Amino acid sequence: SAVISQKPSRDICQRGTSLTIQCQVDSQVTMMFWYRQQPGQSLTLIATANQGSEATYESGFVIDKFPISRPNLTFSTLTVSNMSPEDSSIYLCSVETLTSGRETQYFGPGTRLLVL
Amino acid sequence: AQRVTQPEKLLSVFKGAPVELKCNYSYSGSPELFWYVQYSRQRLQLLLRHISRESIKGFTADLNKGETSFHLKKPFAQEEDSAMYYCALSPRGGGFKTIFGAGTRLFVKA
Repeated sequence: SAVISQKPSRDICQRGTSLTIQCQVDSQVTMMFWYRQQPGQSLTLIATANQGSEATYESGFVIDKFPISRPNLTFSTLTVSNMSPEDSSIYLCSVETLTSGRETQYFGPGTRLLVL
Repeated sequence: AQRVTQPEKLLSVFKGAPVELKCNYSYSGSPELFWYVQYSRQRLQLLLRHISRESIKGFTADLNKGETSFHLKKPFAQEEDSAMYYCALSPRGGGFKTIFGAGTRLFVKA
């Protein structure tokens, strides 16, 4: 299994500013994922972050807006840049590990962001 | 198009009643299907996957490829089952590009 922590747990930010969200895992993992969950909606994958390579972004998400770092196998950051109220959302970090012989996805507690 | 559909946003049942949370999917291939659950003030966690064919907390889900459905069922709902349930699809056995449904909030009344 994997235990994931995220910082901050929540924040209120002014439009035009940037926020960096940290994700720490208690074990080394190859694949880390960043999701967004907008109010009343489901989880949407923003990007996949593998250590040692650039993040792979999903359609509708770009590196300039959501730069990601993955300096090692237990840590990643997601920055939400030049924020607008539309970025108000819960941002979730997720990892995939092998558990009981099967690849299993684990989620962090989320970072709740409100942009004014 | 790859899609997971959960038609009910909210499902309310009485304690002891059977419950079925519906999930339909659209995918050209052989995906792996999952149910995730999020209890109040807890993080999202895996409930079960179709490959395991197991019963978790009394819940079961059968993959029906003909109807492209993966409904979650429990014969006797408990109050502690109240939570948000997400059906999800993955192209392979893992989280890579997992596609989530919109979720169904289950409320079990005493």
